[in-house]
Amino acid sequence: AQRVTQPEKLLSVFKGAPVELKCNYSYSGSPELFWYVQYSRQRLQLLLRHISRESIKGFTADLNKGETSFHLKKPFAQEEDSAMYYCALSGLETYKYIFGTGTRLKGLA
Amino acid sequence: KAGVTQTPRYLIKTRGQQVTLSCSPISGHRSVSWYQQTPGQGLQFLFEYFSETQRNKGNFPGRFSGRQFSNSRSEMNVSTLELGDSALYLCASQPSGGDSPLHFGNGTRLTVT
Repeated sequence: AQRVTQPEKLLSVFKGAPVELKCNYSYSGSPELFWYVQYSRQRLQLLLRHISRESIKGFTADLNKGETSFHLKKPFAQEEDSAMYYCALSGLETYKYIFGTGTRLKGLA
Repeated sequence: KAGVTQTPRYLIKTRGQQVTLSCSPISGHRSVSWYQQTPGQGLQFLFEYFSETQRNKGNFPGRFSGRQFSNSRSEMNVSTLELGDSALYLCASQPSGGDSPLHFGNGTRLTVT
């Protein structure tokens, strides 16, 4: 079955502390993995995708095919990182995305 | 470029009624997909359209339907509304679909009473 699992509904982190949002997936094939973010009162938007291997706003994510994981990491959290984060996958020519249930990241001062 | 536009922003309907939601994609984007967002379930895929053709459909009952027009604008319709249909309905567009990033609208908040 195709599935994306985000085990944490809420993650609280102190300013300056490292943060890791977990994402595991199940997919028969070679998926494209993404992280989307929704800040308060803003629309859902792309944060990063694994194929571009970029660091966006200090966040990185590494695809681990052996563990079927795509965890999102940031070495030093900021208050402005507070948002809802969704991990998602898409397969070539499936014409749909599968999203996880999301993790709310709460940055503490 | 203007972003994805969804109308209306809010809707209140009663059980048994039907509703139509509208989505205008980013200019030049020909793929439009729809998602239902609820606190417990996250985002669940409804369907995807490209050049007026539905290419994929999620696991929703037949009460949920959609269509796409020649200008790429899309509508989704929900008939015989149920309380459980209350949710935020998001539309997203892509240039051609597949695994390119989604561009989301602000959504339509549907409340069924």
